[in-house]
Amino acid sequence: EDKVVQSPLSLVVHEGDTVTLNCSYEVTNFRSLLWYKQEKKAPTFLFMLTSSGIEKKSGRLSSILDKKELFSILNITATQTGDSAVYLCAVSIQGAQKLVFGQGTRLTINP
Amino acid sequence: DAGITQSPRHKVTETGTPVTLRCHQTENHRYMYWYRQDPGHGLRLIHYSYGVKDTDKGEVSDGYSVSRSKTEDFLLTLESATSSQTSVYFCAISESIGDLQPQHFGDGTRLSIL
Repeated sequence: EDKVVQSPLSLVVHEGDTVTLNCSYEVTNFRSLLWYKQEKKAPTFLFMLTSSGIEKKSGRLSSILDKKELFSILNITATQTGDSAVYLCAVSIQGAQKLVFGQGTRLTINP
Repeated sequence: DAGITQSPRHKVTETGTPVTLRCHQTENHRYMYWYRQDPGHGLRLIHYSYGVKDTDKGEVSDGYSVSRSKTEDFLLTLESATSSQTSVYFCAISESIGDLQPQHFGDGTRLSIL
């Protein structure tokens, strides 16, 4: 069975801290790994990773994939209260039209 | 933002009644998906469509049916709603699979079955 596991499930930090969110996966026929940010409504797309060791970066957010060890991390530096959200990791499967999602990490940034 | 509109945004209904949720897109994307989101389970795929009149089941399809008569509209129907179908339902679209295009999501429909 395809499985995606995120850790921690919940994290509370102070504004300005750096956080690392983890995503590990066990799937058949990996195609890509995606990170989404979900605030009140729709999950919004952050990154798609397909190759090991290549960092994707957008402002204070960055992510990297390790296809040998089957995990990805999402880093957020100099956190702000606006970063408070649920961060979702999902894996796309070759030959299957679906994303397999992890449970999400609820990140709370306190001022 | 991707042009995806879900309706209704909220609905409360009784067990045994039929319910239809609508997803409308203005992006002309080929692929459309219905997910449900529940605490402790993340997002799970119900059904998806890869073209007009072309649909297939996801991992939690029991009790749900879908239809796609036009590129822009994807309907999710609960023929006889049950309390276990209380959830938040998200529609998603993507342009293609082979080009590794991400899925983009609508704002969701919160459905309560009493």
